[in-house]
Amino acid sequence: LAKTTQPISMDSYEGQEVNITCSHNNIATNDYITWYQQFPSQGPRFIIQGYKTKVTNEVASLFIPADRKSSTLSLPRVSLSDTAVYYCLAPRNYGQNFVFGPGTRLSVLP
Amino acid sequence: KAGVTQTPRYLIKTRGQQVTLSCSPISGHRSVSWYQQTPGQGLQFLFEYFSETQRNKGNFPGRFSGRQFSNSRSEMNVSTLELGDSALYLCASSLGLDSTEAFFGQGTRLTVV
Repeated sequence: LAKTTQPISMDSYEGQEVNITCSHNNIATNDYITWYQQFPSQGPRFIIQGYKTKVTNEVASLFIPADRKSSTLSLPRVSLSDTAVYYCLAPRNYGQNFVFGPGTRLSVLP
Repeated sequence: KAGVTQTPRYLIKTRGQQVTLSCSPISGHRSVSWYQQTPGQGLQFLFEYFSETQRNKGNFPGRFSGRQFSNSRSEMNVSTLELGDSALYLCASSLGLDSTEAFFGQGTRLTVV
């Protein structure tokens, strides 16, 4: 079962770009990397998912190097409302449950 | 389409009582997972149901149980409530056991007094 490691917390200022890196050095070649965002007292929300290279949507970008041992979630020009916990999810094998680590608590300061 | 619906949103119970929480998954989703979230322990997996059968179970005592109905709706039950059961209980639905995405509800905030 793949495991992930990411920083426990990060601080940033409004308008800056934030990059959160997750290590996952035991994923299978066909596994997707998925990131979730969670605001206090709400359920986690799917942000982005990728398999290789770069994926971009309206919320974030996800960079995955060729060795796929890590991935970086990039949030462009963060605002105060981006303050949340961000989870990098280990891929799950068939029949296994999703495993959420402690996530990265991002605090965006004015 | 409608998201995952959990009821009730808030609940206050007394120690020793039991509680039942409900989750309606996204239409067409057949897998429902339950999580407990507390400040100290983060998101802890409780169990997952697929086609009315429990497929996975986390490391929780037998006081925590669940079931899934033929329409994929799920309930979880906690008996003999303890103060430590106070938490946000989250339900997530996904298409199947190999889905890479899970969609979460808003959760039920349970307070045991």
